[in-house]
Amino acid sequence: DSGVTQTPKHLITATGQRVTLRCSPRSGDLSVYWYQQSLDQGLQFLIQYYNGEERAKGNILERFSAQQFPDLHSELNLSSLELGDSALYFCASSVTGLSSETQYFGPGTRLLVL
Amino acid sequence: QQQVKQSPQSLIVQKGGISIINCAYENTAFDYFPWYQQFPGKGPALLIAIRPDVSEKKEGRFTISFNKSAKQFSLHIMDSQPGDSATYFCAASDSGNTPLVFGKGTRLSVIA
Repeated sequence: DSGVTQTPKHLITATGQRVTLRCSPRSGDLSVYWYQQSLDQGLQFLIQYYNGEERAKGNILERFSAQQFPDLHSELNLSSLELGDSALYFCASSVTGLSSETQYFGPGTRLLVL
Repeated sequence: QQQVKQSPQSLIVQKGGISIINCAYENTAFDYFPWYQQFPGKGPALLIAIRPDVSEKKEGRFTISFNKSAKQFSLHIMDSQPGDSATYFCAASDSGNTPLVFGKGTRLSVIA
């Protein structure tokens, strides 16, 4: 158990809908990362937050947004969902957010868009 | 410049054999090279990492070999076991605030 929790574990929704994925980092970790994992694209970095502020942005679509709250949990919002958004979404956390730190991954949320 | 190319995409190894996964990078600013292991239904977990000041790092049956001039690094799993069957991701970064860049992963199957 990495200490990172993600909810929900599974999500099934329809095209055009909006969903929110939630992540609680390990105790003491200030930085949160979001990744999308699909079969053909591996682990795609979406966005990183550190202590409530956006630190780095990757291949995140404009339909997607995220935030980190004062209690350090984070939410990833996916809107106007398309079939191609079906994937595993992982949250990871680390202490300070430097890229040489170990990232601790949560168990993921499996999103299926029908 | 930011890519990390990983090969092979999948690998089948006999129990007791050596599994070898290779990665190549372009960005000479990269100075931190971790490998993550992911079991089915789980998130990735750090397995082993290396910095370019050494050419090899060993932890148990897992060894990273690093070739700075060729800009390549590889993971060797000695005496591979069925329990090693997982997807392995290499990654690289410049140790600063830029995010880790992951390879596309190698699915390893160790068969008895």
